[in-house]
Amino acid sequence: DAGVIQSPRHEVTEMGQEVTLRCKLISGHNSLFWYRQTMMRGLELLIYFNNNVPIDDSGMPEDRFSAKMPNASFSTLKIQPSEPRDSAVYFCASSSSGLKGYFGPGTRLTVL
Amino acid sequence: AQTVTQSQPEMSVQEAETVTLSCTYDTSENNYYLFWYKQPPSRQMILVIRQEAYKQQNATENRFSVNFQKAAKSFSLKISDSQLGDTAMYFCAFTRRNSGNTPLVFGKGTRLSVIA
Repeated sequence: DAGVIQSPRHEVTEMGQEVTLRCKLISGHNSLFWYRQTMMRGLELLIYFNNNVPIDDSGMPEDRFSAKMPNASFSTLKIQPSEPRDSAVYFCASSSSGLKGYFGPGTRLTVL
Repeated sequence: AQTVTQSQPEMSVQEAETVTLSCTYDTSENNYYLFWYKQPPSRQMILVIRQEAYKQQNATENRFSVNFQKAAKSFSLKISDSQLGDTAMYFCAFTRRNSGNTPLVFGKGTRLSVIA
């Protein structure tokens, strides 16, 4: 089992640029969660999907953030346009009934 | 809404000694899961141990064990025979148990340093 896969692992971009983060779920899992980790706010939920359907996106900070799940195993988180305050580590996690909270390695985003 | 509180921002322990990290939570739910995650400097979130609230027996994984006190809403992590590789941030987390999957609510974390 390859675990949750995230790409890229590191991203450095300039303010105003579009950023796309990618996540592949563990095979057989049906839920996907996007979290963001910063020093100030700790780990916070951005959005999550069950069976490809977005359930709660109240954690998405602004309209600049969007997330999609085009199929059962893959998701993207897009920031457009990016700002320096978006700099953080972004984690994707997947789960299935009875199995909770398997995290990907994270994407460290730096917006200059 | 559920909240998770870790009251110890930092702790240290001598190698081979035992250390206990505290966690309390607040919820009106009766069925839920509790977790401890380890985050080393690599930033990877590693699941250390998981407890199901309906199970009275405390979970154990090798050197890691929990003291789950449901009435007190307390979920502490004990690390026995501490090793240098245990140095990391430790996060306590909560999620509801229902037919669908729900997100984790995290505490602020405890930074543990194991000293040689």
